[in-house]
Amino acid sequence: DAMVIQNPRYQVTQFGKPVTLSCSQTLNHNVMYWYQQKSSQAPKLLFHYYDKDFNNEADTPDNFQSRRPNTSFCFLDIRSPGLGDAAMYLCATSTTSAGEQYFGPGTRLTVT
Amino acid sequence: AQSVTQPDIHITVSEGASLELRCNYSYGATPYLFWYVQSPGQGLQLLLKYFSGDTLVQGIKGFEAEFKRSQSSFNLRKPSVHWSDAAEYFCAVGTKTSYDKVIFGPGTSLSVIP
Repeated sequence: DAMVIQNPRYQVTQFGKPVTLSCSQTLNHNVMYWYQQKSSQAPKLLFHYYDKDFNNEADTPDNFQSRRPNTSFCFLDIRSPGLGDAAMYLCATSTTSAGEQYFGPGTRLTVT
Repeated sequence: AQSVTQPDIHITVSEGASLELRCNYSYGATPYLFWYVQSPGQGLQLLLKYFSGDTLVQGIKGFEAEFKRSQSSFNLRKPSVHWSDAAEYFCAVGTKTSYDKVIFGPGTSLSVIP
């Protein structure tokens, strides 16, 4: 089945220690998104790629970076995680920027 | 600016009862409209979508939604709720402006009592 895969499902990192979350897709979609979701809140868009074009949300902290080396993979790098970055991180894909999105299962990040 | 509101933060219904979750949006043109469901610890799953045409759309798991342009609403309904429907529900709007994007509402948490 075509899908969006996120690894790892659970990630524990130390305060200030860089961490990378990964996302891959077999849907061959043009658009890939990274969302941050805290408890009982809506997903908050951090940035997205339309093909190789990177689109950063205005309020995304500089601490968050992303890479998309090819159509299938996208990475979220948190350079110096703080306690406030503990959250669920969701990857999603879409064929267009305003269309339906297909979500991965998420990575739960804990910062100690 | 575009926005999405879900007036009910939390709803509790009895199993077998009908359900309606409300969604209102603010957007100058006809948007793309979506409902997603999220079970605890999982990603979001698309329930249904509206792009154009028939304003009553059918989705998965027995859900349907109706687009009412005059009320800027896209309410989600299910005639008989099952215990497995307990989850968080998000309404979302896709806007075709100079910057295409999808805006999520704050979500409605659904509890189902036996």
